[in-house]
This record gives sequence, C-alpha cells and structure tokens, in this order.
Amino acid sequence: GAGVSQSPSNKVTEKGKDVELRCDPISGHTALYWYRQSLGQGLEFLIYFQGNSAPDKSGLPSDRFSAERTGGSVSTLTIQRTQQEDSAVYLCASSYRIAGGDTQYFGPGTRLTVL
Amino acid sequence: AQRVTQPEKLLSVFKGAPVELKCNYSYSGSPELFWYVQYSRQRLQLLLRHISRESIKGFTADLNKGETSFHLKKPFAQEEDSAMYYCALSGQGSNYQLIWGAGTKLIIKP
Repeated sequence: GAGVSQSPSNKVTEKGKDVELRCDPISGHTALYWYRQSLGQGLEFLIYFQGNSAPDKSGLPSDRFSAERTGGSVSTLTIQRTQQEDSAVYLCASSYRIAGGDTQYFGPGTRLTVL
Repeated sequence: AQRVTQPEKLLSVFKGAPVELKCNYSYSGSPELFWYVQYSRQRLQLLLRHISRESIKGFTADLNKGETSFHLKKPFAQEEDSAMYYCALSGQGSNYQLIWGAGTKLIIKP
C-alpha cells in the first residue's frame, strides 16, 4: 500500500511568513509523529498524535508551532512568523499504535528554507 | 532519566573493515531497542530491533543489559552501508513513543 506522504516536498518562505506542512499517514495507523531534522543534527521530536489528540505538546520549540490532526488521518504542522532557525527538514511518521514497539514508517520529509 | 547516547557523530571506515556503531542507553525498566537507518535521498526506516534477533544486511546488534548498550556491528563494511544510523529506545509494553539518539553518520571509504 501507499506509504506516508508529505507535502510540499520543498518550501521556501520569507522570514515572518506562516507555513503549513501536511502529512498523510498510512491508512489505519492511529499514531502519527512529527520530527525536525536540522542540518548536521539528529532527530528532534516535536509532537505525536494518538487518533486526533496530542497528549504531549512539550516538544514543540515555541508557541509559533502548532499541529492538528483531523479525522484520525491527515495532520498539518503550522509554523507562524517563521524564523531562519526554523529551516530544517520536517519529517512525519506513522505507526499502527502509539506503543513504542511499533515500527514507525517515515515520510520523505518537507525541506523548509526560511530566507 | 531515559536517554539514548550515540557517542560518535561521524564514523569513517574502509570498505571490508569491521564496523561498530555505539549506542548506550539509560532506562530503569526493560527497554526495547531499535536501529533506524537513513540512506542518502531515502526515507528513514527501521533496520533492526533487538527482540527479533535478526541479521539485516549483515548487521547485528546485541542488547547488553549489564553495560546498557546496543551496539550495531557488521564484520565487513560495504560502500552501500554509508548512511545515517539512529539508535532508539522504547519502554517495553508501555504506551510510549521512541526516545532517539542523536545519530551517527557512517562513511565507508573505498
């Protein structure tokens, strides 16, 4: 079946603009995760969803970041008033359950560049 | 505190040489350990997990609870092994997401 998809694949924006990143998880996966991968850095966990709810938002870097998931499927990550330090690859992953032992399947990522 | 440490940001070895990517963890219970890999221009994907005791692409990893380690090993490196490798931990049986290491970039020199 289809894997995790993300759009856009690349986004270039000007500092101060808002951006919206989209993730389509694998059908039937109840758990969805957002990560950030900065150049030369590892994975930074941002937020996860179990169904439509996000029990822990403490990983979001600032209040400019928000995420939602509707219908237990598609999720959007919104960054308001983007800053240059927001430039990174944003990865989405999904798994069948939120149990950590479940394999996470990753999307191709959205490369965000803030000028 | 729960933590995964990959002490090497970069590891460079010659083709045919043995490879060992180190991973140490801190966890109070019985963890599940994983290695994920990201090849150039490909998605991050699961390489292996300790409970399955598999050898994938010639790689093995043994969970050493005494040393709290889960090092990834391969006896003879190949050029196609060049990639970014992440070690991750999950609380066994818990409703929990993964705790990730910072990753090690492996470069296999010809």
